[in-house]
Amino acid sequence: RKEVEQDPGPFNVPEGATVAFNCTYSNSASQSFFWYRQDCRKEPKLLMSVYSSGNEDGRFTAQLNRASQYISLLIRDSKLSDSATYLCVVADSGYALNFGKGTSLLVTP
Amino acid sequence: DVKVTQSSRYLVKRTGEKVFLECVQDMDHENMFWYRQDPGLGLRLIYFSYDVKMKEKGDIPEGYSVSREKKERFSLILESASTNQTSMYLCASNIDRPYGYTFGSGTRLTVV
Repeated sequence: RKEVEQDPGPFNVPEGATVAFNCTYSNSASQSFFWYRQDCRKEPKLLMSVYSSGNEDGRFTAQLNRASQYISLLIRDSKLSDSATYLCVVADSGYALNFGKGTSLLVTP
Repeated sequence: DVKVTQSSRYLVKRTGEKVFLECVQDMDHENMFWYRQDPGLGLRLIYFSYDVKMKEKGDIPEGYSVSREKKERFSLILESASTNQTSMYLCASNIDRPYGYTFGSGTRLTVV
């Protein structure tokens, strides 16, 4: 079984802080990479795809390091509404995506 | 936007009952998936389907079966519900590999 590993946290940060999550994956042939966000008792929702050159969406920056097989997510200027669980997701040649167990973030006032 | 609709948000069933969880997607996606999610265990794949009438076992298929008679609908069946099947069940679909999923809003099933 292909593994996707994340630090479960929780990460407790004050509003306005910058926080980074890392994720490692075991299959060097993995093809696609994503970060999903899951709010308490809700379904996961796609936050952003992760591209080889790195990509940014507002306060969120995702990076991929294929050589070291890790993915990162950086959140700048954290908001209370960023509190959620962040799932690292990797696609290899199979049909199903491979999910990490998630990293919990709590942003406090 | 792709919509994945799960028929029930909350269900309470008795041990031994046969339970049907329905999932419908409206964007002609090829692949559909059923997961369960439990605290500390993450998302675990039960079954998936890559075409009508085609199904494949995931990591934890025991006690479950599935049906995909039409492309848009993927049903999960608990043959004889047990208390250890109390969980959040999530349906997902994607247009093809290796694209991301769209999830349904989930069904929280309690077996008593």
